[in-house]
Amino acid sequence: GENVEQHPSTLSVQEGDSAVIKCTYSDSASNYFPWYKQELGKRPQLIIDIRSNVGEKKDQRIAVTLNKTAKHFSLHITETQPEDSAVYFCAAREALYDKLIFGTGTRLQVFP
Amino acid sequence: EAGVTQFPSHSVIEKGQTVTLRCDPISGHDNLYWYRRVMGKEIKFLLHFVKESKQDESGMPNNRFLAERTGGTYSTLKVQPAELEDSGVYFCASSHAPGPTGELFFGEGSRLTVL
Repeated sequence: GENVEQHPSTLSVQEGDSAVIKCTYSDSASNYFPWYKQELGKRPQLIIDIRSNVGEKKDQRIAVTLNKTAKHFSLHITETQPEDSAVYFCAAREALYDKLIFGTGTRLQVFP
Repeated sequence: EAGVTQFPSHSVIEKGQTVTLRCDPISGHDNLYWYRRVMGKEIKFLLHFVKESKQDESGMPNNRFLAERTGGTYSTLKVQPAELEDSGVYFCASSHAPGPTGELFFGEGSRLTVL
């Protein structure tokens, strides 16, 4: 089955700097890669996703890139703000069964 | 529109006791998932319902865990008897459509502490 690895586990940046979180997946048949943000005490929420027929997708300050050959995808946050502080999870949709396999999460702290 | 709701938000029980977690998905969502996160680890898949049928229960740890979704609406996840390693946050999520277009909507989770 699918296996997703996520790095780093924690990331601290100064407000205004960029943050990059990287994930790798094992199943070459996986075709959908969402990113979820979980603020403290709240539910995980989808912030951006990318399908396997696209190499990059951008939404304001966040972007995701996908390299299908290398089986890795990354989340990029530019001009970070304190409200970006949260735990971010990457995921890959397992092709055989309709379920998301998540990474271990990255705790991002943005210091003012 | 009401989101996915879970109850209780936090449960503290002793080893050997029974706990039942409940999830109410978004109305009209046929797909319902249970996930669990143990501190510092991944959000781990437990099982997937399509309406009232178990589509995939490959992530259920053992037979101490029983999930039901009678009538294809709300779902319950029972742990009996609970063990220390069952502690974690249990998330429920629902989606309208399967496949690549099916965004998962999560509940806020039920935190289970087994002492």
